[in-house]
Amino acid sequence: KNQVEQSPQSLIILEGKNCTLQCNYTVSPFSNLRWYKQDTGRGPVSLTIMTFSENTKSNGRYTATLDADTKQSSLHITASQLSDSASYICVVRVRGGYNKLIFGAGTRLAVHP
Amino acid sequence: DVKVTQSSRYLVKRTGEKVFLECVQDMDHENMFWYRQDPGLGLRLIYFSYDVKMKEKGDIPEGYSVSREKKERFSLILESASTNQTSMYLCASPFPGERTEAFFGQGTRLTVV
Repeated sequence: KNQVEQSPQSLIILEGKNCTLQCNYTVSPFSNLRWYKQDTGRGPVSLTIMTFSENTKSNGRYTATLDADTKQSSLHITASQLSDSASYICVVRVRGGYNKLIFGAGTRLAVHP
Repeated sequence: DVKVTQSSRYLVKRTGEKVFLECVQDMDHENMFWYRQDPGLGLRLIYFSYDVKMKEKGDIPEGYSVSREKKERFSLILESASTNQTSMYLCASPFPGERTEAFFGQGTRLTVV
């Protein structure tokens, strides 16, 4: 069964600190892995997309890593800001077909001053 | 700059009512998707459409139907709303191709009372 699991479920950090969110997946055949940021009451917005051959992808203070052998990904946030408070969703695309996406349940991050 | 627009941010409907959720995209895409998002479950695919008047069931189609009369508009219909359909509903429209973005609407928070 295609699944995406994220940890932790929720996280609280102080402004300025770094944090790392985890994503494990069992999706086959694998096409790519995406991290989305979703503000409360809003639709998800893409942060990064990585294919099988990419190990690291950065977008400003966000750095995603992918280990296709162990089927793990992480999202590292550097020097967190209050505006980073959101849910972060790991999404894996299944190769072929109509662009089927498998969503993780998300990690809810709260950045406190 | 808006690419995917959902007609309502918040809706409150009564049990048994017929409910229409509208989604419009301005990118001339063939594919459009409807998801629902519930705490701890991630996004789950309800229906998708790959062309005008074409539709396919997703993972949880029961209690829903869809309509795609024009390329830019994809409607989700709750034939007889029930309280277990209280949820956040998200419409998405991806660019074709593997390394492509899937743009989401801002979401509709539906409450069935």
